[in-house]
Amino acid sequence: NAGVTQTPKFQVLKTGQSMTLQCAQDMNHNSMYWYRQDPGMGLRLIYYSASEGTTDKGEVPNGYNVSRLNKREFSLRLESAAPSQTSVYFCASSGPGLTHFGPGTRLLVL
Amino acid sequence: QKEVEQNSGPLSVPEGAIASLNCTYSDRGSQSFFWYRQYSGKSPELIMFIYSNGDKEDGRFTAQLNKASQYVSLLIRDSQPSDSATYLCAVSSGSARQLTFGSGTQLTVLP
Repeated sequence: NAGVTQTPKFQVLKTGQSMTLQCAQDMNHNSMYWYRQDPGMGLRLIYYSASEGTTDKGEVPNGYNVSRLNKREFSLRLESAAPSQTSVYFCASSGPGLTHFGPGTRLLVL
Repeated sequence: QKEVEQNSGPLSVPEGAIASLNCTYSDRGSQSFFWYRQYSGKSPELIMFIYSNGDKEDGRFTAQLNKASQYVSLLIRDSQPSDSATYLCAVSSGSARQLTFGSGTQLTVLP
């Protein structure tokens, strides 16, 4: 039982490049989330998915898109990366009522 | 805009002392309240959750909730150096029970 897994662990992009962050959970949870964490700050919600086939914007969705591929997988895409998107990205899943986090992806945009 | 506020710290306590962490939230409709611990470079780890007014104890940790005052706290008794971390308060709401986090309080337990 791996819980929540994320790939890659670390990525360096140049401004304007695109990439997709992958997330999968094996806990049969309905809800999944993407958060970002900037230095000295708490986590901010980017997008979430209450169930397979649905996605909704969180607090900071601009510059991102998501896909809930199936119940297990929830990906986050940066179409044109900007330095302001340098951050640590956490995927999470929830059920029943408790949220579990993946190990995170450190993204540096130059 | 739902807000969660925490003492920004940092907070330092001697080993064996009680560490007290505080959090207030703005959304009166919030149902569930969580405390996460985050070590540097790691992901948040759930240590306590509370749904009802009053106290909830789990080992050295006690969470306290006062919905009328919109206040949540975490007490860590007999603090150990291994408790040194950032503590994040989070409140859940919405259809997906998504979490809103405070900015965290950095705790250092001095040997």
